[in-house]
Amino acid sequence: DAGVTQSPTHLIKTRGQHVTLRCSPISGHKSVSWYQQVLGQGPQFIFQYYEKEERGRGNFPDRFSARQFPNYSSELNVNALLLGDSALYLCASSPDPAYSNQPQHFGDGTRLSIL
Amino acid sequence: KNQVEQSPQSLIILEGKNCTLQCNYTVSPFSNLRWYKQDTGRGPVSLTIMTFSENTKSNGRYTATLDADTKQSSLHITASQLSDSASYICVVSLLSGGYNKLIFGAGTRLAVHP
Repeated sequence: DAGVTQSPTHLIKTRGQHVTLRCSPISGHKSVSWYQQVLGQGPQFIFQYYEKEERGRGNFPDRFSARQFPNYSSELNVNALLLGDSALYLCASSPDPAYSNQPQHFGDGTRLSIL
Repeated sequence: KNQVEQSPQSLIILEGKNCTLQCNYTVSPFSNLRWYKQDTGRGPVSLTIMTFSENTKSNGRYTATLDADTKQSSLHITASQLSDSASYICVVSLLSGGYNKLIFGAGTRLAVHP
């Protein structure tokens, strides 16, 4: 079975542009979470979606938005890019966030560089 | 404030040796504690998940301990291998607003040398 897949793997943008990152969860998983990982730090929570509804939001500005589609894949959108948005963006999936002891399965991320 | 702190920040050991990584947390309400391994350029991979009532959990050469009273956890790696070179991230989960919120530590970067 395929794991969590993310696209693209690398992306270079300039300040002020917008970007869309994509994530396909493990088959059967209905929950997708997005994280930002700045170099040398642990991941920071951005969003969690379950059954196409937002279930949680981290401390990120409104420039960050996301959605989940009927097939449970997800997009993360970032508008008006800033240099500080340069990071590895990770997507993780799990069957149901209500079961707190389930591991989250991570993709290998999208490396976003802002020039 | 919910925080997870890890030590040391980085560690170098020789192949075959053992090592122990530390994690202290101030997270409430606590749900569970996880250890992840993250290879360079890859996403984190789950090693162990421990609930409040579990003191020890093993996964091959990896053994995690949890002391919920002192809010401390450790990850012990036995007979290290070159492939153990990675960042090890301690993650504490809490239930917030009906979803599982994960608080990540900054990780310990482990280098295993031949």
